Amino acid sequence: QKEVEQNSGPLSVPEGAIASLNCTYSDRGSQSFFWYRQYSGKSPELIMFIYSNGDKEDGRFTAQLNKASQYVSLLIRDSQPSDSATYLCAVKQGGGNKLTFGTGTQLKVEL
Amino acid sequence: KAGVTQTPRYLIKTRGQQVTLSCSPISGHRSVSWYQQTPGQGLQFLFEYFSETQRNKGNFPGRFSGRQFSNSRSEMNVSTLELGDSALYLCASSLDSRSPGNTEAFFGQGTRLTVV
Repeated sequence: QKEVEQNSGPLSVPEGAIASLNCTYSDRGSQSFFWYRQYSGKSPELIMFIYSNGDKEDGRFTAQLNKASQYVSLLIRDSQPSDSATYLCAVKQGGGNKLTFGTGTQLKVEL
Repeated sequence: KAGVTQTPRYLIKTRGQQVTLSCSPISGHRSVSWYQQTPGQGLQFLFEYFSETQRNKGNFPGRFSGRQFSNSRSEMNVSTLELGDSALYLCASSLDSRSPGNTEAFFGQGTRLTVV
C-alpha cells in the first residue's frame, strides 16, 4: 500500500463546475496535509494546507480533512480552464519537514 | 520577498560525471529539503537540512549528498551520474516552526538535469 494515494485521472470537469480531488494516506501519525498545483514543466505551487479535522476555505478552494478515515480532499468551485494542472497531495509525518507526495491527479477543465 | 532560488535551471551532464546544484531559501527559512521528480516515480524526498545538519534522509544511494551553509543556502551533489538520475530536482524552503500552522514548504523552480 502506498503511503499517499491519489487517483491519477485525468479528471475532466466543465468550466464553472466543482472539481473534487481526493487523497488517502496510510500513516495515522500524519500531522499536516498539503495541496500543490503543478503546471506542466513548472514546479509545484502551494495552494492550501490543513492540519485540523474539518473544512478550510480559501477563495474558490476548500480543503477537507478527516483523520479518522485518513483522507483529505480539495474542492475547487467555479472551475476555470486555468485550473487545468496536476494536483499533488502531500503529507507531513514526524519531525522535520519531510513531505510524502501522492502521484498527483491531472485535472482538465473543459470549455 | 524573494522566493526560493535554484541554480542552474538546466544542466546536461555525461554519465560518470558529478554535479552540484544550489538552493537559496526564502529569507528567514532555515529548513531546506530536496526532492527528485521523475515521470515514473513522482516526487521523492532526498534529504532535509536544518541549521547545517541533515535532519531527514530519503531512500537514495550515497551518491546523493548535500550540505547546508550558515546562511541556510544548500547544495546537493550527485556523483558518478547515471542515466536514471535524469530528473527535475526541486528544493523546498520551510520556516520550521513548532506550530502546525507554519510548516508550509515552498518550492523553487527546480533544476532540470539531463544525463547523457
